[in-house]
Amino acid sequence: EDQVTQSPEALRLQEGESSSLNCSYTVSGLRGLFWYRQDPGKGPEFLFTLYSAGEEKEKERLKATLTKKESFLHITAPKPEDSATYLCAVQATNSGYALNFGKGTSLLVTP
Amino acid sequence: DVKVTQSSRYLVKRTGEKVFLECVQDMDHENMFWYRQDPGLGLRLIYFSYDVKMKEKGDIPEGYSVSREKKERFSLILESASTNQTSMYLCASSPPGLYEQYFGPGTRLTVT
Repeated sequence: EDQVTQSPEALRLQEGESSSLNCSYTVSGLRGLFWYRQDPGKGPEFLFTLYSAGEEKEKERLKATLTKKESFLHITAPKPEDSATYLCAVQATNSGYALNFGKGTSLLVTP
Repeated sequence: DVKVTQSSRYLVKRTGEKVFLECVQDMDHENMFWYRQDPGLGLRLIYFSYDVKMKEKGDIPEGYSVSREKKERFSLILESASTNQTSMYLCASSPPGLYEQYFGPGTRLTVT
């Protein structure tokens, strides 16, 4: 059965303190791995898609990487406005278009 | 920009009522999805649709049905609302040939 596990559940950083969020996955065949940002009371906002091991994507202070077993979302010099829940999802080759989501990492960046 | 809208941000209904949640996307996307999101359980797929009048069950379809009469509109129906259907409901769509999904703002449904 496909599984997505995110760690840590919650992370508190000082402004400027870089760190990484982890997404471990098991899937029969990976079509894609997706990162989303979700602010309280709002729908998830799409950030990145990664398709194969070794691939990297960047957007402002965020950088996503992918291996055969896990993905990392690196946050460099975070600001308070980066505070949100970050969700990881995988899409298996045999699942049609359905996404299987992890439970998310809640990030708080303090000034 | 992709735009996915949902008919209500907040909704309060009574047990036993029939509830309609509507979702509209303006980007001609073929695939549309309904999820619910609960604390500690994450996002779970209820139903999805590949095309007009097509529907597929997700992981938790019990107590729900869907309707897709037009390409841009996907409705979620709670036939007889129950308190355990109190949740945040999220609609999403994805474009042909790509796999990422774009979400609407969500509907916070409370069933009393």
